[in-house]
Amino acid sequence: DSGVTQTPKHLITATGQRVTLRCSPRSGDLSVYWYQQSLDQGLQFLIQYYNGEERAKGNILERFSAQQFPDLHSELNLSSLELGDSALYFCASSPPGTGRYEQYFGPGTRLTVT
Amino acid sequence: GEDVEQSLFLSVREGDSSVINCTYTDSSSTYLYWYKQEPGAGLQLLTYIFSNMDMKQDQRLTVLLNKKDKHLSLRIADTQTGDSAIYFCAEKRSTDKLIFGTGTRLQVFP
Repeated sequence: DSGVTQTPKHLITATGQRVTLRCSPRSGDLSVYWYQQSLDQGLQFLIQYYNGEERAKGNILERFSAQQFPDLHSELNLSSLELGDSALYFCASSPPGTGRYEQYFGPGTRLTVT
Repeated sequence: GEDVEQSLFLSVREGDSSVINCTYTDSSSTYLYWYKQEPGAGLQLLTYIFSNMDMKQDQRLTVLLNKKDKHLSLRIADTQTGDSAIYFCAEKRSTDKLIFGTGTRLQVFP
């Protein structure tokens, strides 16, 4: 158990809908990262937040957005869902300082779009 | 490009050593990582190496880094059935994001 929690574990929804994935980082970690794992694209970085501020952006679609709240939990919002958005979405966290080189992953949320 | 490449599959006998290989493209990579993913589970950080090191050993795991050839390997000594999983290498470049390889599925048979 990495200490990173994600909810829900599974999510099934229809095309065109909007969903919110939630992540709680490990205690003391200030950075939160979101990654998408799909069969065709592999594991891809989406976005990083550090202490509430967006730090880096990857291959995140405009239909997707994220935020990190004052209590450091993060939410990833996916809207106008398409079949191709079906994937495993992982959240990871890392501590500040020299520990920031270690990213600890949560169990993931499996999203199925039908 | 951003490609980090790994062979797709490795099969070893229980008790033997496993060597999983990875090649990366960016010479500015600062840290290189090995993660393990078991079925239905998240990614478990196994070990990582700073780019100015050649080798790192952690119990049954040995990481070798050849910076000149941009080649990273993970050796698992005395491989057990519980080591069966998908192993991902990843590199960290100038930002904190990780670039992951395609993953190597390790199958351990008795």
